[in-house]
Amino acid sequence: NAGVTQTPKFQVLKTGQSMTLQCAQDMNHEYMSWYRQDPGMGLRLIHYSVGAGITDQGEVPNGYNVSRSTTEDFPLRLLSAAPSQTSVYFCASSSRGATNEKLFFGSGTQLSVL
Amino acid sequence: GNSVTQMEGPVTLSEEAFLTINCTYTATGYPSLFWYVQYPGEGLQLLLKATKADDKGSNKGFEATYRKETTSFHLEKGSVQVSDSAVYFCALSGSQAGTALIFGKGTTLSVSS
Repeated sequence: NAGVTQTPKFQVLKTGQSMTLQCAQDMNHEYMSWYRQDPGMGLRLIHYSVGAGITDQGEVPNGYNVSRSTTEDFPLRLLSAAPSQTSVYFCASSSRGATNEKLFFGSGTQLSVL
Repeated sequence: GNSVTQMEGPVTLSEEAFLTINCTYTATGYPSLFWYVQYPGEGLQLLLKATKADDKGSNKGFEATYRKETTSFHLEKGSVQVSDSAVYFCALSGSQAGTALIFGKGTTLSVSS
């Protein structure tokens, strides 16, 4: 059972570079989301989607773009990386939403921006 | 908006000790409450949840009771094991149903034998 798959696991970028963090789930979940985890800050929501073609901003959306063209995939794009985006990024999904359904998390992407 | 506050860590215990990790919340309406656990190098996993006042969530020997009068959801375990060493996150549902969870900052638990 694959669950939620994130790639890459590790990435180093230079300031100003762009990249896409990939997230795919094989559970036919409608709800998908991206969080960043920083020391002493817990998890903060970046963007989320309640279904294909629908996305919305979370607590810290600036500097990130998302799209949801299929139910399975929810990529996170950094258009111009900044050192403040150094973090561990987690993708999560659930069947109907985060409030009453279990969230399934990927294993994370550790990103360093120099 | 909704928010959650959990005790600062790290918490260091010996095996078989009693564990309490405090969590309090501020919310409008009647949120659902959760505890997630993150083992080293992994993503978060749901540990337990409670969806209404006075509900008790339990799993793997951990328990937490939804206390509306004290706006709390403290995590407890009677006898911790080394394998319980992890980061524990308290979370609650946002003010808009079906959207997202709001997480606390996490509490690191380290259990030694």
